[in-house]
Amino acid sequence: RKEVEQDPGPFNVPEGATVAFNCTYSNSASQSFFWYRQDCRKEPKLLMSVYSSGNEDGRFTAQLNRASQYISLLIRDSKLSDSATYLCVVNWGGTYKYIFGTGTRLKVLA
Amino acid sequence: NAGVTQTPKFQVLKTGQSMTLQCAQDMNHNSMYWYRQDPGMGLRLIYYSASEGTTDKGEVPNGYNVSRLNKREFSLRLESAAPSQTSVYFCASRRGEGNIQYFGAGTRLSVL
Repeated sequence: RKEVEQDPGPFNVPEGATVAFNCTYSNSASQSFFWYRQDCRKEPKLLMSVYSSGNEDGRFTAQLNRASQYISLLIRDSKLSDSATYLCVVNWGGTYKYIFGTGTRLKVLA
Repeated sequence: NAGVTQTPKFQVLKTGQSMTLQCAQDMNHNSMYWYRQDPGMGLRLIYYSASEGTTDKGEVPNGYNVSRLNKREFSLRLESAAPSQTSVYFCASRRGEGNIQYFGAGTRLSVL
């Protein structure tokens, strides 16, 4: 089993739609969780950290489920500019190690 | 407001040539990382440096060496480039444990 797994997609959704991605992780010692956005041939950029209580930033909501070992990202009212690859990143507590998923590709269609 | 700066942005090498990828951060971060990204794969760690003066191997260190020159700079050297090292290389830094990583714009390397 991969340490961090994501559905590669692509998810093709119309503008205004709501879309959700999940990411599962295998190491129960994982402590910190992040969603990064990566545009084609560019560097990953932090979208949001994921907290145990869940967190929201505008149209984006992230949730953590430690019991089932997954995190999720919900995007409401999708915009064309949301088209990108979304990377799930997990940090093992007390270590240097960040594990990256292979990413989920989102295409928002006009 | 530079953040993490990588040079060069693009490079083409012939098999057997050597080169050094440069990375500098101006955020006073302790830890710095070098990753490679290949199609269909997540970012894989080559080397990291927890603090000035220390470096450690990551998941895919073979064929690479690193130098943490000072707190700001962390370079990656390919002594004898191979076609398998064709990839996009990203440098990243973070302040401390569990903190957010910030990435440079990447170096696109082709080895012919």
